[in-house]
Amino acid sequence: EAGVAQSPRYKIIEKRQSVAFWCNPISGHATLYWYQQILGQGPKLLIQFQNNGVVDDSQLPKDRFSAERLKGVDSTLKIQPAKLEDSAVYLCASSQPDRYYGYTFGSGTRLTVV
Amino acid sequence: AQRVTQPEKLLSVFKGAPVELKCNYSYSGSPELFWYVQYSRQRLQLLLRHISRESIKGFTADLNKGETSFHLKKPFAQEEDSAMYYCALSYGGSQGNLIFGKGTKLSVKP
Repeated sequence: EAGVAQSPRYKIIEKRQSVAFWCNPISGHATLYWYQQILGQGPKLLIQFQNNGVVDDSQLPKDRFSAERLKGVDSTLKIQPAKLEDSAVYLCASSQPDRYYGYTFGSGTRLTVV
Repeated sequence: AQRVTQPEKLLSVFKGAPVELKCNYSYSGSPELFWYVQYSRQRLQLLLRHISRESIKGFTADLNKGETSFHLKKPFAQEEDSAMYYCALSYGGSQGNLIFGKGTKLSVKP
């Protein structure tokens, strides 16, 4: 099966600019996650979707971050305006309804804010 | 609050030596625990799950509820085991998401 696709792989922007990341999960995976991984730390959940509805966005900085999953498939994560501390790898993952199989992660987007 | 602690940032062993990557968790309910691995230039991937009690690539992990630990072990390390290892805790029922530890970098020397 095809994996979780993410784009772009790398992005460099100046602070206060905006940026968007795209994710295409594995076909049939209803649950989609966006994680932020800062250098030297483990991934931290930003938002979880079940189909096109938000299940958990409690750790999403909503003043600058937004995410959507139209039609319950692809998802976009946006940051506007970006801050230096947003520099991180943004990981998308998807899972089957039975999460015991674990998540399948994408390759991530490495964001550098200068 | 739920928390996963991996006390070692770096673990260096020689090929053929035993390996134990430590993971401790904090959770009041029944935890579901996982180990994820990230090899160089590859994506994060599931290594094993505690509920399946399986051995993957020679690695095993036993959930010890009394010590709230889920240590990852391998009796004889191989150079190809060098990678970042993350312990993760799932909570919250059927919609539960994962909390990750900070990870341990395993380096296996020849």
